[in-house]
Amino acid sequence: AQSVTQPDIHITVSEGASLELRCNYSYGATPYLFWYVQSPGQGLQLLLKYFSGDTLVQGIKGFEAEFKRSQSSFNLRKPSVHWSDAAEYFCAVGPLGGYQKVTFGIGTKLQVIP
Amino acid sequence: GAGVSQSPSNKVTEKGKDVELRCDPISGHTALYWYRQSLGQGLEFLIYFQGNSAPDKSGLPSDRFSAERTGGSVSTLTIQRTQQEDSAVYLCASSLNGRSGESSPLHFGNGTRLTVT
Repeated sequence: AQSVTQPDIHITVSEGASLELRCNYSYGATPYLFWYVQSPGQGLQLLLKYFSGDTLVQGIKGFEAEFKRSQSSFNLRKPSVHWSDAAEYFCAVGPLGGYQKVTFGIGTKLQVIP
Repeated sequence: GAGVSQSPSNKVTEKGKDVELRCDPISGHTALYWYRQSLGQGLEFLIYFQGNSAPDKSGLPSDRFSAERTGGSVSTLTIQRTQQEDSAVYLCASSLNGRSGESSPLHFGNGTRLTVT
């Protein structure tokens, strides 16, 4: 069965500091990986996605993520966090091909302090 | 509209009543998903539609939950005899097709917040 683990439920960083949110997945085939962001009172917005090619993918709002097959990881990074990045971040895995569900992690809530 | 639309945005109901939640996907999107988001629980998959059929409804918590989709478009999630544990945000998402690829990330609506009193 596919699964996603986000080990950090809550992270606090200072504005301007770098950020890394961890994501590990379990999937029996080639995965299609996503990061979504949910700002307070908002729906989920796609930050970036990966299914092939360069393992370092760039997304919106200055975020990037690196796919590491050997570690089954897809960590999200940002060099310098802005106060507006405070939100909840969800990692997700889905099938590459076929008609199956997309499974989400429990989410990491990011707090940004001045 | 350009995005996934869900209605109502908020619903308060008494325990034991039935509720219907509606989702209008992005036009042309053949795949439609329902998820439930409870506090501290992440996104829980409920059901997935491809066209009007539901190949995967493994996430529906009980037989009080049902969903249908008509015309390959609008979907309704129905919860019968609501219980307090049903209180959550119900999210709908659509994608261009169920076959993952460059065009198929999920696009989410803003959700329906259901409160059962």
